[in-house]
Amino acid sequence: NAGVTQTPKFRILKIGQSMTLQCAQDMNHNYMYWYRQDPGMGLKLIYYSVGAGITDKGEVPNGYNVSRSTTEDFPLRLELAAPSQTSVYFCASSWTGLLNQPQHFGDGTRLSIL
Amino acid sequence: ELKVEQNPLFLSMQEGKNYTIYCNYSTTSDRLYWYRQDPGKSLESLFVLLSNGAVKQEGRLMASLDTKARLSTLHITAAVHDLSATYFCAVGETSGSRLTFGEGTQLTVNP
Repeated sequence: NAGVTQTPKFRILKIGQSMTLQCAQDMNHNYMYWYRQDPGMGLKLIYYSVGAGITDKGEVPNGYNVSRSTTEDFPLRLELAAPSQTSVYFCASSWTGLLNQPQHFGDGTRLSIL
Repeated sequence: ELKVEQNPLFLSMQEGKNYTIYCNYSTTSDRLYWYRQDPGKSLESLFVLLSNGAVKQEGRLMASLDTKARLSTLHITAAVHDLSATYFCAVGETSGSRLTFGEGTQLTVNP
Protein backbone atom coordinates (compact mmCIF):
# COMPACT_ATOMS: atom_id res chain seq x y z
CA ASN A 1 0.00 0.00 0.00
CA ALA A 2 1.19 3.50 -0.82
CA GLY A 3 -0.52 5.00 2.27
CA VAL A 4 -0.33 8.81 2.30
CA THR A 5 1.56 10.30 -0.65
CA GLN A 6 2.73 13.89 -0.70
CA THR A 7 4.16 15.80 -3.65
CA PRO A 8 6.47 17.53 -4.15
CA LYS A 9 9.05 16.46 -1.55
CA PHE A 10 11.00 19.71 -1.80
CA ARG A 11 10.20 23.13 -3.21
CA ILE A 12 11.69 26.61 -3.17
CA LEU A 13 9.35 29.52 -3.79
CA LYS A 14 9.88 33.21 -4.14
CA ILE A 15 7.96 35.62 -1.94
CA GLY A 16 4.53 36.28 -3.42
CA GLN A 17 4.37 33.11 -5.52
CA SER A 18 1.60 30.56 -5.09
CA MET A 19 1.64 26.79 -5.10
CA THR A 20 -0.38 23.73 -4.25
CA LEU A 21 0.90 20.92 -2.09
CA GLN A 22 -0.65 17.64 -3.08
CA CYS A 23 -1.78 14.90 -0.71
CA ALA A 24 -3.40 11.61 -1.67
CA GLN A 25 -4.28 8.55 0.39
CA ASP A 26 -5.35 5.13 -0.81
CA MET A 27 -6.67 3.74 2.48
CA ASN A 28 -10.23 5.03 2.04
CA HIS A 29 -9.79 7.21 5.11
CA ASN A 30 -12.45 9.82 5.57
CA TYR A 31 -10.45 12.13 7.86
CA MET A 32 -7.50 14.08 6.49
CA TYR A 33 -5.26 16.74 8.02
CA TRP A 34 -2.57 19.25 7.11
CA TYR A 35 0.13 20.16 9.62
CA ARG A 36 3.21 22.31 9.53
CA GLN A 37 6.35 21.60 11.52
CA ASP A 38 8.82 24.38 12.14
CA PRO A 39 12.42 23.45 13.06
CA GLY A 40 12.67 21.88 16.50
CA MET A 41 8.96 22.20 17.11
CA GLY A 42 5.89 20.03 17.23
CA LEU A 43 3.19 19.91 14.61
CA LYS A 44 0.54 22.58 14.27
CA LEU A 45 -2.76 21.86 12.55
CA ILE A 46 -3.51 24.05 9.54
CA TYR A 47 -6.73 22.58 8.14
CA TYR A 48 -8.59 19.32 8.36
CA SER A 49 -11.44 17.53 6.64
CA VAL A 50 -13.89 14.93 7.90
CA GLY A 51 -15.05 13.93 4.45
CA ALA A 52 -15.42 15.00 0.85
CA GLY A 53 -16.82 18.51 0.62
CA ILE A 54 -16.20 19.30 4.31
CA THR A 55 -13.20 21.27 5.58
CA ASP A 56 -12.45 23.23 8.72
CA LYS A 57 -9.75 25.48 10.10
CA GLY A 58 -7.12 24.31 12.51
CA GLU A 59 -4.79 26.28 14.73
CA VAL A 60 -2.84 28.17 12.03
CA PRO A 61 -4.98 28.53 8.86
CA ASN A 62 -4.00 32.05 7.76
CA GLY A 63 -2.35 32.16 4.36
CA TYR A 64 -3.62 28.72 3.33
CA ASN A 65 -6.65 27.23 1.63
CA VAL A 66 -7.83 23.65 1.15
CA SER A 67 -10.42 21.74 -0.79
CA ARG A 68 -11.68 18.18 -0.56
CA SER A 69 -13.52 17.17 -3.71
CA THR A 70 -12.76 13.44 -3.35
CA THR A 71 -12.11 11.07 -0.45
CA GLU A 72 -8.58 10.42 -1.72
CA ASP A 73 -7.21 13.92 -2.27
CA PHE A 74 -6.69 16.89 0.05
CA PRO A 75 -4.57 19.62 -1.60
CA LEU A 76 -3.21 22.58 0.36
CA ARG A 77 -2.92 25.89 -1.45
CA LEU A 78 -0.51 28.66 -0.49
CA GLU A 79 -1.42 32.06 -1.86
CA LEU A 80 1.15 34.86 -1.82
CA ALA A 81 3.93 32.88 -0.16
CA ALA A 82 5.71 34.58 2.75
CA PRO A 83 9.01 33.69 4.50
CA SER A 84 7.01 32.75 7.63
CA GLN A 85 5.56 29.84 5.65
CA THR A 86 8.96 28.20 5.34
CA SER A 87 8.36 24.88 7.05
CA VAL A 88 7.88 21.16 6.59
CA TYR A 89 4.30 20.30 5.73
CA PHE A 90 2.80 16.96 6.66
CA CYS A 91 -0.45 15.48 5.46
CA ALA A 92 -2.13 12.80 7.55
CA SER A 93 -5.24 10.66 7.39
CA SER A 94 -7.25 8.44 9.68
CA TRP A 95 -10.18 6.06 9.33
CA THR A 96 -12.71 7.63 11.63
CA GLY A 97 -10.88 10.50 13.31
CA LEU A 98 -11.80 9.00 16.62
CA LEU A 99 -10.38 7.00 19.44
CA ASN A 100 -8.35 3.99 18.52
CA GLN A 101 -7.11 4.96 15.09
CA PRO A 102 -3.79 6.82 14.93
CA GLN A 103 -3.24 9.28 12.15
CA HIS A 104 -1.05 8.03 9.31
CA PHE A 105 1.44 10.55 8.01
CA GLY A 106 2.98 11.21 4.61
CA ASP A 107 6.71 11.83 4.15
CA GLY A 108 6.32 15.59 4.16
CA THR A 109 7.00 18.49 1.80
CA ARG A 110 9.96 20.70 2.67
CA LEU A 111 9.13 24.22 1.55
CA SER A 112 11.44 27.24 1.56
CA ILE A 113 10.25 30.75 0.78
CA LEU A 114 13.03 33.10 -0.27
CA GLU B 1 -7.38 25.80 24.57
CA LEU B 2 -5.63 22.48 24.93
CA LYS B 3 -1.92 22.76 25.73
CA VAL B 4 0.51 19.85 25.71
CA GLU B 5 3.90 20.01 27.39
CA GLN B 6 6.65 17.44 27.14
CA ASN B 7 9.73 17.19 29.25
CA PRO B 8 12.52 16.95 28.89
CA LEU B 9 12.84 18.49 25.44
CA PHE B 10 16.34 17.08 25.03
CA LEU B 11 17.61 13.86 26.53
CA SER B 12 21.04 12.35 26.15
CA MET B 13 21.48 8.96 27.75
CA GLN B 14 23.83 6.05 27.73
CA GLU B 15 23.03 2.68 26.30
CA GLY B 16 21.64 0.33 28.90
CA LYS B 17 20.10 3.06 31.05
CA ASN B 18 16.43 3.67 31.85
CA TYR B 19 14.59 6.94 31.53
CA THR B 20 11.09 8.43 31.37
CA ILE B 21 9.63 11.12 29.12
CA TYR B 22 6.65 13.02 30.50
CA CYS B 23 3.66 14.47 28.66
CA ASN B 24 1.31 16.80 30.54
CA TYR B 25 -1.84 18.27 29.06
CA SER B 26 -4.13 21.04 30.20
CA THR B 27 -7.73 19.93 29.63
CA THR B 28 -9.74 16.75 29.86
CA SER B 29 -9.00 14.11 27.28
CA ASP B 30 -9.29 10.35 27.14
CA ARG B 31 -6.99 9.61 24.24
CA LEU B 32 -3.32 10.12 23.81
CA TYR B 33 -0.90 9.09 21.10
CA TRP B 34 2.85 8.66 21.01
CA TYR B 35 4.78 9.06 17.76
CA ARG B 36 8.40 8.65 16.78
CA GLN B 37 10.17 10.81 14.20
CA ASP B 38 13.64 10.07 12.81
CA PRO B 39 15.62 13.05 11.44
CA GLY B 40 14.23 14.22 8.12
CA LYS B 41 11.52 11.58 8.19
CA SER B 42 7.81 11.34 8.79
CA LEU B 43 6.00 10.41 12.01
CA GLU B 44 5.47 6.79 12.96
CA SER B 45 2.71 5.79 15.37
CA LEU B 46 3.98 4.01 18.50
CA PHE B 47 1.09 3.82 20.95
CA VAL B 48 -2.58 4.71 21.25
CA LEU B 49 -3.81 5.14 24.84
CA LEU B 50 -7.56 5.41 25.26
CA SER B 51 -8.45 5.10 28.92
CA ASN B 52 -7.29 5.94 32.39
CA GLY B 53 -4.67 3.48 33.52
CA ALA B 54 -3.95 2.25 29.99
CA VAL B 55 -0.49 0.76 29.60
CA LYS B 56 1.08 -0.44 26.38
CA GLN B 57 4.49 -1.92 25.72
CA GLU B 58 6.50 -2.56 22.60
CA GLY B 59 10.06 -3.76 22.99
CA ARG B 60 12.00 -1.37 25.22
CA LEU B 61 9.24 1.27 25.24
CA MET B 62 6.27 1.38 27.60
CA ALA B 63 3.60 4.08 27.61
CA SER B 64 0.97 4.81 30.24
CA LEU B 65 -1.90 7.23 30.70
CA ASP B 66 -3.31 8.81 33.86
CA THR B 67 -6.29 10.88 32.78
CA LYS B 68 -6.96 12.18 36.29
CA ALA B 69 -3.46 13.67 36.51
CA ARG B 70 -3.55 14.58 32.78
CA LEU B 71 -0.23 12.84 32.39
CA SER B 72 1.26 10.26 30.09
CA THR B 73 4.70 8.73 30.39
CA LEU B 74 6.94 7.00 27.89
CA HIS B 75 9.42 4.79 29.71
CA ILE B 76 12.59 3.57 28.04
CA THR B 77 14.19 0.44 29.40
CA ALA B 78 17.84 -0.44 28.73
CA ALA B 79 18.19 2.07 25.93
CA VAL B 80 19.91 1.17 22.68
CA HIS B 81 21.27 3.46 19.96
CA ASP B 82 18.41 2.58 17.59
CA LEU B 83 16.00 4.39 19.91
CA SER B 84 17.63 7.73 19.09
CA ALA B 85 14.83 9.86 17.58
CA THR B 86 12.36 12.58 18.50
CA TYR B 87 9.29 11.40 20.40
CA PHE B 88 6.03 13.31 20.30
CA CYS B 89 2.92 12.94 22.37
CA ALA B 90 -0.38 14.14 20.91
CA VAL B 91 -3.62 14.62 22.79
CA GLY B 92 -7.05 14.30 21.23
CA GLU B 93 -9.85 16.77 21.89
CA THR B 94 -12.77 15.23 23.74
CA SER B 95 -15.22 15.84 20.91
CA GLY B 96 -13.85 15.71 17.43
CA SER B 97 -10.83 14.45 15.61
CA ARG B 98 -8.19 17.11 16.18
CA LEU B 99 -4.87 16.42 17.88
CA THR B 100 -2.62 18.83 19.74
CA PHE B 101 1.06 17.88 19.66
CA GLY B 102 3.73 18.47 22.26
CA GLU B 103 7.04 20.04 21.20
CA GLY B 104 8.78 16.70 21.13
CA THR B 105 11.62 15.11 23.10
CA GLN B 106 14.84 14.68 21.17
CA LEU B 107 16.45 11.50 22.49
CA THR B 108 20.07 10.64 21.84
CA VAL B 109 21.38 7.29 23.05
CA ASN B 110 25.16 7.19 23.26
CA PRO B 111 27.23 4.01 23.16
